[in-house]
Amino acid sequence: QQQVKQSPQSLIVQKGGISIINCAYENTAFDYFPWYQQFPGKGPALLIAIRPDVSEKKEGRFTISFNKSAKQFSLHIMDSQPGDSATYFCAASISGNQFYFGTGTSLTVIP
Amino acid sequence: GAGVSQSPSNKVTEKGKDVELRCDPISGHTALYWYRQRLGQGLEFLIYFQGNSAPDKSGLPSDRFSAERTGESVSTLTIQRTQQEDSAVYLCASSFHRGFKSYFGPGTRLTVT
Repeated sequence: QQQVKQSPQSLIVQKGGISIINCAYENTAFDYFPWYQQFPGKGPALLIAIRPDVSEKKEGRFTISFNKSAKQFSLHIMDSQPGDSATYFCAASISGNQFYFGTGTSLTVIP
Repeated sequence: GAGVSQSPSNKVTEKGKDVELRCDPISGHTALYWYRQRLGQGLEFLIYFQGNSAPDKSGLPSDRFSAERTGESVSTLTIQRTQQEDSAVYLCASSFHRGFKSYFGPGTRLTVT
């Protein structure tokens, strides 16, 4: 059973556009929601994370929007660049115990 | 500073052989996780170590899989009698204490022929 559902599976965005990746979860005990960026041949790297007591967190061009009532959270990449092309994973955790990952979104930013 | 390291980076083995994968976490990190990533898929949790507590083995797919960690240092993931479906990238991550900012190693790509 997939604890965290992620969509879309792949995404193509023009340079300068906004990339949006969505995730949904069921377990209301989750209290930590990170996003990871993974380049081919590399391990995932933490990009940005949020806790359910805030509805939005922004770091540079990356923003997480969190909707606690809908049990959804999303990653927005503003002014997308070709260097952002990677696979993005959302995840959820209960107090930092085992993390449940989404199935990933392959983002391609075309010049 | 040194990040999480894993060895070997690539491992090709014959079906039925045992393999051992190694993870060196960031010094001082008490939490250590192992994940499996099949081609084109998400990360599948395998096992979690937190300090000297009993590990959370709930993600291990079969009794052919086992892992050990000595204190807060190196961890080894052992797969016995490998099968072709074990072919994947095995990723290790560590964090200062129980999750939050986890740092991943580069992974070990295992190919079972």
